[in-house]
Amino acid sequence: TAGITQAPTSQILAAGRSMTLRCTQDMRHNAMYWYRQDLGLGLRLIHYSNTAGTTGKGEVPDGYSVSRANTDDFPLTLASAVPSQTSVYFCASSDSAGGSPDTQYFGPGTRLTVL
Amino acid sequence: GQNIDQPTEMTATEGAIVQINCTYQTSGFNGLFWYQQHAGEAPTFLSYNVLDGLEEKGRFSSFLSRSKGYSYLLLKELQMKDSASYLCAIMDSNYQLIWGAGTKLIIKP
Repeated sequence: TAGITQAPTSQILAAGRSMTLRCTQDMRHNAMYWYRQDLGLGLRLIHYSNTAGTTGKGEVPDGYSVSRANTDDFPLTLASAVPSQTSVYFCASSDSAGGSPDTQYFGPGTRLTVL
Repeated sequence: GQNIDQPTEMTATEGAIVQINCTYQTSGFNGLFWYQQHAGEAPTFLSYNVLDGLEEKGRFSSFLSRSKGYSYLLLKELQMKDSASYLCAIMDSNYQLIWGAGTKLIIKP
């Protein structure tokens, strides 16, 4: 099985432009997450979704939006990119619906540079 | 507040043993995770501790003391492929993961 796929692998984006990072999982997991990873910092949660049709804000949600129309897909949109959004973005999923501990599994990441 | 501390970098020799420590302060606790992350790759799950004590999984073991807010990851018989970053994460009262900055482990021959 593919697990979690992300697209694109990397992208250079001009400041002010919009972009959608795609994430798809084939494990039928309930919960999905978007993190950003910056040098010297731990992974930081941007948005999450405990089940299809619901989303929630994480630690650093400003400038990002998400949707969860179905179980498999969880796109992350930057409406108007700024250089501080330069980062590596990881999508993850877990079988938990938000009320129990469960292992999170990660996609390969998208490296985004905003100039 | 919530805080997770790990050493930034450690160096060890191939074939040896290394212990990576993680201390934490959180308002809620639903377990502690360790992940491995090779450079340029995704984090991958190593272990989960929710009760005090040692969990052993092959060459890797993880220990937890909830009263001390302390965990360690023990890697035995180190191999060159163990060169990676090791991430400690706490699952908080909302079942969200709070991550440490990670420990970069360098293995020398």
